[in-house]
Amino acid sequence: AQKVTQAQTEISVVEKEDVTLDCVYETRDTTYYLFWYKQPPSGELVFLIRRNSFDEQNEISGRYSWNFQKSTSSFNFTITASQVVDSAVYFCALPETSGSRLTFGEGTQLTVNP
Amino acid sequence: DAGVTQSPTHLIKTRGQQVTLRCSPKSGHDTVSWYQQALGQGPQFIFQYYEEEERQRGNFPDRFSGHQFPNYSSELNVNALLLGDSALYLCASSLTVGRIYGYTFGSGTRLTVV
Repeated sequence: AQKVTQAQTEISVVEKEDVTLDCVYETRDTTYYLFWYKQPPSGELVFLIRRNSFDEQNEISGRYSWNFQKSTSSFNFTITASQVVDSAVYFCALPETSGSRLTFGEGTQLTVNP
Repeated sequence: DAGVTQSPTHLIKTRGQQVTLRCSPKSGHDTVSWYQQALGQGPQFIFQYYEEEERQRGNFPDRFSGHQFPNYSSELNVNALLLGDSALYLCASSLTVGRIYGYTFGSGTRLTVV
């Protein structure tokens, strides 16, 4: 069975600080994808990034960057120069190889204070 | 381009009643998945519909059933409601291989059972 663990339940930072959200996953699949979603108070899950397991190159997209390390089964997500609008719950998710179900972590509540 | 549309947005039901939730997928998507998200937790997979058939099911009782129509829209039905069914119900649409092309989520239906 697949499993996603987000050990950080809540994080609080001051605006303009950098913040890293941790994600550790378990899967028996040799190739797989990983996702990060943001859930604002409105409830909708907003797609942020997707990474496949056969490309460990870490990338930056605007204020977002991610660190994927297959050797430690970690897929961490960093927001640079955080803003109040970044306040939300962030979920790491792992889809099954069949593409059916997404397994989510428990989420990390990020609060960015002005 | 309209995203995923869910209705109603909020619903209050009495224990023992039945409820139907509706979802219209993003244009071009043929697969619909339903998730239950209890307060403070990550979304849990209920089931997925493709070509009007249930393709995969999570660990939910038979009280939870669904349907997909020829236009790809979907319904989630819950019978004999329990207090523990109170949650945010999220619909996600995708192309067949969601892990590659991504999943689009709606804003959800907040169900309260009293």
